[in-house]
Amino acid sequence: DTEVTQTPKHLVMGMTNKKSLKCEQHMGHRAMYWYKQKAKKPPELMFVYSYEKLSINESVPSRFSPECPNSSLLNLHLHALQPEDSALYLCASRQQYSGGSYNEQFFGPGTRLTVL
Amino acid sequence: GENVEQHPSTLSVQEGDSAVIKCTYSDSASNYFPWYKQELGKRPQLIIDIRSNVGEKKDQRIAVTLNKTAKHFSLHITETQPEDSAVYFCAASNTGNQFYFGTGTSLTVIP
Repeated sequence: DTEVTQTPKHLVMGMTNKKSLKCEQHMGHRAMYWYKQKAKKPPELMFVYSYEKLSINESVPSRFSPECPNSSLLNLHLHALQPEDSALYLCASRQQYSGGSYNEQFFGPGTRLTVL
Repeated sequence: GENVEQHPSTLSVQEGDSAVIKCTYSDSASNYFPWYKQELGKRPQLIIDIRSNVGEKKDQRIAVTLNKTAKHFSLHITETQPEDSAVYFCAASNTGNQFYFGTGTSLTVIP
């Protein structure tokens, strides 16, 4: 299995809702990423997990809460979002070797999030 | 940290012509340079990548060149086709986990 999957594909939520995005990979990759992407802009890094531990948090507001329950799963919990948080949320994974990573990052298809 | 610049931001070419997109980076520790193609509403897809121990790599109509001394790398697409129309992103990465993306080039191939 050489794929990163994400659910749901689309999500519409109000500013008071709580929802979660889910990402899964079964390639044995130990680095997993959340990105936010606006139209025609590059992916903007939010979080990186390395061996199930949060290794990078790019000063993301606390209304976004990541979770890595195991080496195959990555969640992003959403609460009290703002309309400007509407975007494509991409998950990605990458293999890690001792001495560092040196290779391809695989992207999931993304979740299109709309905050009303 | 790393800073990746990408030019041009938009590019229009006639079908069959070549397209060249250029990126520069600032951190000499960067050692992996992927190029992604992203169609509207879809995920970024890796189209070619190059590691710092290689100067050039080719895959059919797509090639990437890397000049480590000048800290720049370029994407070359020959014999362009309408289906090549998309946004292209370059990126740089080192042995850490972070990828630094360029700002993107919107390529339009005119039939």
